[in-house]
Amino acid sequence: QSALTQPASVSASPGQSITISCTGTSSDVGAYNYVSWYQHHPGKAPKLMIYNVNYRPSGVSNRFSGSKSGNTASLTISGLQAEDEADYYCSSYRGSSTLVYVFGGGTEVTVL
Amino acid sequence: EVQLVESGGGLVQPGGSLRLSCAASGFSFSTYVMHWVRQVPGKGLVWVSRISHDGTVTNYADSVKGRFTISRDNAKNTLYLQINSLRAEDTAVYYCVGDQNFKCDYWGQGTLVTVSS
Repeated sequence: QSALTQPASVSASPGQSITISCTGTSSDVGAYNYVSWYQHHPGKAPKLMIYNVNYRPSGVSNRFSGSKSGNTASLTISGLQAEDEADYYCSSYRGSSTLVYVFGGGTEVTVL
Repeated sequence: EVQLVESGGGLVQPGGSLRLSCAASGFSFSTYVMHWVRQVPGKGLVWVSRISHDGTVTNYADSVKGRFTISRDNAKNTLYLQINSLRAEDTAVYYCVGDQNFKCDYWGQGTLVTVSS
């Protein structure tokens, strides 16, 4: 079960915006609106930032937004802050012969 | 306060077995789909297995099918992962995750499994 494709790293200065892409297939990202994004600081539990493509859980800053076009989903972080420096992972359900769940390889976000 | 507390990790020899547990509190455990997700040190998150809210449906990643068994006890608010025939590549931090309506918003802190002789 191959992972979704994300860029390995993205960097930007504080206050700028970044967008992280997540490319899948017509069996996962393209098939379902069940794309999620997680923020992961090493040594801590991953945190859900976006679910169902573009919904934010309660308590997540509105600087985080999600979208999807075809087989590619995106996470945009606007007004980048130092605390946003972390690893970010996308995920999607994948329906084939059985229902499975697949993650992207992760993107390291660096705030310069 | 929602809590997911994993336990049962440790050092085990190749070919050995372990049973991981995840004790849940602070939410309606029996209404949640539960997952196990693992992370090899320095690598990304990888989905391992999923179990329906009532335990009747289970799914596995191809890499663990036949060796791992997910189960749950809703009376004890506990999720399990039985891991057999352990391999070096199973070395990872194992997270338990709560999922309601495709929203995985509850994560534990993880338990480290190290497979080494």
